Amino acid sequence: AQTVTQSQPEMSVQEAETVTLSCTYDTSENNYYLFWYKQPPSRQMILVIRQEAYKQQNATENRFSVNFQKAAKSFSLKISDSQLGDTAMYFCASQGGSEKLVFGKGTKLTVNP
Amino acid sequence: DSGVTQTPKHLITATGQRVTLRCSPRSGDLSVYWYQQSLDQGLQFLIHYYNGEERAKGNILERFSAQQFPDLHSELNLSSLELGDSALYFCASSVHEGGYTEAFFGQGTRLTVV
Repeated sequence: AQTVTQSQPEMSVQEAETVTLSCTYDTSENNYYLFWYKQPPSRQMILVIRQEAYKQQNATENRFSVNFQKAAKSFSLKISDSQLGDTAMYFCASQGGSEKLVFGKGTKLTVNP
Repeated sequence: DSGVTQTPKHLITATGQRVTLRCSPRSGDLSVYWYQQSLDQGLQFLIHYYNGEERAKGNILERFSAQQFPDLHSELNLSSLELGDSALYFCASSVHEGGYTEAFFGQGTRLTVV
């Protein structure tokens, strides 16, 4: 069984600063994928970034990057140069061979002007 | 716009009633997933269909059922509704099964049971 844990229910950051959201996971799968999804007030689930577990290089998408520590089963999201539009719920998720996504409880991020 | 369409966007109904939620996947996507998002349980996987066949079940109650039709749209049927069934129900679609396939989410159906 897969589990995903996000230990920070809420976080806040000042505009233009950097913030890191934490995520740990557990899985018995050999091949799996990890994701960060963003859910703004519009409630749309938006894929922010993904990481293939077999790749050692950390994924990067513009201002978003991850720190993937496979041995520690840790997958944190760093948001650089935070913008007001980054205010949202952020969900960490894992996907194994069964293809279903297993989500953490989410972190509510507020970017303050 | 993800290309996944869910209807209706909002639904208010009474306890004991039955509702049907509809999902139209992105063009060409064969897989449809249903998820429930509630305050206490978070986002939970309900069921997965691939090209009309059920592939996996998650924490789906016996009062709930789903199907995927030949045109690939899917319906989630919720019956004997209880207050605790109030939640946001998401549908997601992807191209195929096996390996990594990005799931695209619809905007969800907000179900309120009163």
